[in-house]
Order: sequence, then C-alpha cells, then structure tokens
Amino acid sequence: DIVLTQSPALAVSLEQRATISCKTSQNVDNYGISYMHWYQQKPGQQPKLLIYEGSNLASGIPARFSGSGSGTDFTLTIDPVEADDIATYYCQQSKDYPRTFGGGTKLELK
Amino acid sequence: EVQLVESGGGLVQPGRSLKLSCLASGFTFSNYGMNWIRQAPGKGLEWVASISSSSSYIYYADTVKGRFTISRDNAKNTLYLQMTSLRSEDTALYYCARYTTAFDYWGQGVMVTVSS
Repeated sequence: DIVLTQSPALAVSLEQRATISCKTSQNVDNYGISYMHWYQQKPGQQPKLLIYEGSNLASGIPARFSGSGSGTDFTLTIDPVEADDIATYYCQQSKDYPRTFGGGTKLELK
Repeated sequence: EVQLVESGGGLVQPGRSLKLSCLASGFTFSNYGMNWIRQAPGKGLEWVASISSSSSYIYYADTVKGRFTISRDNAKNTLYLQMTSLRSEDTALYYCARYTTAFDYWGQGVMVTVSS
C-alpha cells in the first residue's frame, strides 16, 4: 500500500502563507500526471476537493489555494490564509489501489 | 447541482448486517465510478470500496474484503454498500463519493454504530 505522511498540525497567522506537505512511500506519478489530490474538511462537514492531479484547482475553489510537487513530495499552499480556511487538510493518492489518504493536517491559528 | 444522499445507517450489534444506500442526482450516474469512504469518530479518512460505472471493476480495502459488498443500480441512480459480520471497528461515518480522477463530490455521510 502507498503510505501518505502529513504533519498532524500547522499553526499559521491570518494573511500569512500556509504550506502543508504530503510525502508518499512510493511514486504516485504516471505518464506525466501526479495522482495526488487535496481535500479540506471542516468540523461536521464532508470533505471538499481542493486540488486534483497535483496542481489543478477544483471547480469553485479560490485561487489562494495551490498545489505543487511530483513523485513522492507534494505541497498544498494557502496564500494568504483567511479565517474560513481553518480546517483539516488531507492528501490522497489515486495511483494505486487501495486508495489511501494522509492522516490529515489540522490548520490552526497562531 | 450534484447531490449524493446516503441512508440506511444506524445502531447494529456486532456480527449483524446493514445495507447503506446513496441516491445520486444532478449528473449522469451511469457515467461515473463511485466509492464508499468512511471516517471513524475523531479519526481520518479511510477508503472502503470502489465500483466502476458499469460495475465491471470493483475494489475493496483489506479491512472490509469478504464482509462488505459494493454494488449499484444505474436505473435507480443508487449506490449500495452491503455490510455483513460488522465489528466495532466498523463504527464510522460512511460517505459516498463520485470519482473522476479524484473524489470530486461527497455526500453528507451516514453514521453506522456497531455496539452491543
């Protein structure tokens, strides 16, 4: 199974940049596409897709969210952070089955 | 508007069975792969099962293989998860999610509690 590793929490100030990392135990690229996706989950809500295939912004997601990386190292950047962005963020790979998620990074206010 | 509405959850004793449903609307259901993903209370996300648009390809997490069965009825726009031999560790909020290259739409989830 492909294991995805995220830091459990990140403290950030409003209007600053937040950088959330996700490292995978195996390469999740295939034919030039990174099968890495990012989700936001607020308490009591279902997850929402933010970024798909490494760097593509999902429909309706503000441009302050961006994704980068390839291979085994990926990053979700929020710049600038707004109060509404306080949530837990998950990375997920779709290169192989079983589909796997990172443990989640809880974004907190400093 | 894409909508996914899960139902069928509840409190069930260990070893018993339960069947979840997910009614889809707002898109052509038969064109998309679908998935079940669960989240235990206070924990992260765990993928459970996938089914392709025509049911040709089905995959399960090892934790549920042999106990859970994913299926769909494209005429009824409905996804199912038949769960048998339920264990306490199956207690979770179960989401259905549409799949393209990622899980692009999720339902609100349905709670399953396995307890005596």
